[in-house]
Amino acid sequence: AQTVTQSQPEMSVQEAETVTLSCTYDTSESDYYLFWYKQPPSRQMILVIRQEAYKQQNATENRFSVNFQKAAKSFSLKISDSQLGDAAMYFCAYRSPYGGSQGNLIFGKGTKLSVKP
Amino acid sequence: NAGVMQNPRHLVRRRGQEARLRCSPMKGHSHVYWYRQLPEEGLKFMVYLQKENIIDESGMPKERFSAEFPKEGPSILRIQQVVRGDSAAYFCASSPPVGLPGPKNIQYFGAGTRLSVL
Repeated sequence: AQTVTQSQPEMSVQEAETVTLSCTYDTSESDYYLFWYKQPPSRQMILVIRQEAYKQQNATENRFSVNFQKAAKSFSLKISDSQLGDAAMYFCAYRSPYGGSQGNLIFGKGTKLSVKP
Repeated sequence: NAGVMQNPRHLVRRRGQEARLRCSPMKGHSHVYWYRQLPEEGLKFMVYLQKENIIDESGMPKERFSAEFPKEGPSILRIQQVVRGDSAAYFCASSPPVGLPGPKNIQYFGAGTRLSVL
């Protein structure tokens, strides 16, 4: 079974600086999807960024980018020019490429990010 | 285009009562997933439904929990005879059917229902 591990329960960053959140996963599949979701205090789960395992190029969305290391099964999230609104829980998630019964997301336990003004 | 709508946002029940959680997926979405989030934990998969069908309920407790997604109306997660351990945030997510334009394999989440059992 697939597992997702986030080894940093809490992280802190100064406003305007850069922070990297770690995520590792375990799978025997060669193709899959990886996601980072943000959960602010409102509890709404917001998709931050998505990576398809067959793509070698790292995904980028504005100030958010990933470092996807397939061989190492590592999927870290880099937030550049951190803003106060980035403060939230961040969850890494894995999804099998198959639909049906394997299509659910598998989440890590999350990293709580604080942003200092 | 409205997002995934869940209601109520907060539900308080006494032990032994029934809890009904509702989820209206995004327009055009025919796949619904329910997840549970315990305090200080990530979300855990419970059940995956398509219209009128349960596709995968491997994450849902066998006793007291049931889910449905009727042809008309929202998806319902039902918890009978609630116990304190059922207190959690319950999230619904939806995704579009194959063939609909747009990015694939993305689940869009509602804001969740926080269930408190007294």
